[in-house]
Amino acid sequence: NAGVTQTPKFRILKIGQSMTLQCAQDMNHNYMYWYRQDPGMGLKLIYYSVGAGITDKGEVPNGYNVSRSTTEDFPLRLELAAPSQTSVYFCASSYSRGPGENSPLHFGNGTRLTVT
Amino acid sequence: GENVEQHPSTLSVQEGDSAVIKCTYSDSASNYFPWYKQELGKRPQLIIDIRSNVGEKKDQRIAVTLNKTAKHFSLHITETQPEDSAVYFCAASRANAGKSTFGDGTTLTVKP
Repeated sequence: NAGVTQTPKFRILKIGQSMTLQCAQDMNHNYMYWYRQDPGMGLKLIYYSVGAGITDKGEVPNGYNVSRSTTEDFPLRLELAAPSQTSVYFCASSYSRGPGENSPLHFGNGTRLTVT
Repeated sequence: GENVEQHPSTLSVQEGDSAVIKCTYSDSASNYFPWYKQELGKRPQLIIDIRSNVGEKKDQRIAVTLNKTAKHFSLHITETQPEDSAVYFCAASRANAGKSTFGDGTTLTVKP
């Protein structure tokens, strides 16, 4: 298994540009997440999904959009890039085996995004 | 929503000493508490986790304790080594919530 794969690894955007961060997992996990991590800071949840066709906002959703058309893929869309979106973006997935059963997050290697 | 506070934000110890990191959570319905280690420039990775039906769990030099009444849990690392130097994050989640709330992280430095 490749686990959680994120592309690209690095990207520089100009203010106002748009882009999509790709995330794919091959572990058949039902839950997927997008976090951002600013330098020297913790992980802030942007959006998450509990299954195909279902998405929900996290703590910092403004300026982002997501979709979950398949179990494997969970792309993150930035429509009008702003300097405040300069960060490292981590995609993660996990598997819920049933009521009362959470499991650990498996993270991708991250996408380092700079908006200038 | 859930709020997780983590202390200390930085911790420096001598090689061979023990290190303790503490987290408190606000949602009494939370029942799953993982700890992640993030080395510089790398992704976070799970090192140990505990569920609410267990008070303590050990894995070699690492242990986690949970006090549900006080709503806090702690990471204990014994016989620290330089390779333990990293940022450690605690997290909390409730069953079927679909999301974890993370603490702000603790930067652990182990001096040889």
